[in-house]
Amino acid sequence: DVKVTQSSRYLVKRTGEKVFLECVQDMDHENMFWYRQDPGLGLRLIYFSYDVKMKEKGDIPEGYSVSREKKERFSLILESASTNQTSMYLCASSLLASGRRYFGPGTRLTVT
Amino acid sequence: RKEVEQDPGPFNVPEGATVAFNCTYSNSASQSFFWYRQDCRKEPKLLMSVYSSGNEDGRFTAQLNRASQYISLLIRDSKLSDSATYLCAVDSSNTGKLIFGQGTTLQVKP
Repeated sequence: DVKVTQSSRYLVKRTGEKVFLECVQDMDHENMFWYRQDPGLGLRLIYFSYDVKMKEKGDIPEGYSVSREKKERFSLILESASTNQTSMYLCASSLLASGRRYFGPGTRLTVT
Repeated sequence: RKEVEQDPGPFNVPEGATVAFNCTYSNSASQSFFWYRQDCRKEPKLLMSVYSSGNEDGRFTAQLNRASQYISLLIRDSKLSDSATYLCAVDSSNTGKLIFGQGTTLQVKP
């Protein structure tokens, strides 16, 4: 079974802090994704990556950056956290040409 | 207009009922379609892919209507365990970049 793990289930940070969310997948998938999920807005794509050191902006990249130094690991960085970044963050992976996403359990981030 | 739209519900149905959800999409060039299930406080998981000819998996049937640009999910003989949010997902331009609907919540009551 594919396993996608995220570094924290719950995180509380202060406004202005730098925040790192880590995601690791164990199935050698080429694609990795970061989404945020908010009530009434659904899942929105922040960034994705097709390969090591490759990254592409999703629909809402502002305020975020990503890093993919190894194939199995994809990090989401909030350079200076703001209260409007309070959300559920979901990491996912997939094979290169597949629409099937395997999601991690999510990180619920609260920025105060 | 959103690229992918769903009625958020909730749909409240009794056990044993048949229920159907639709999901409309705006990009006529979309090629890949999926239904995901998300339980409360859990991550989404793939329920089924949607093929042009329609497909069935037990009590679940998924269909694609290209002319009207929507996909549907039919659940027969609803179980309490079917209570969840059902997300549709569409590959908006065959890039592998899925667009998700906001989800339809189903509550099955005893």
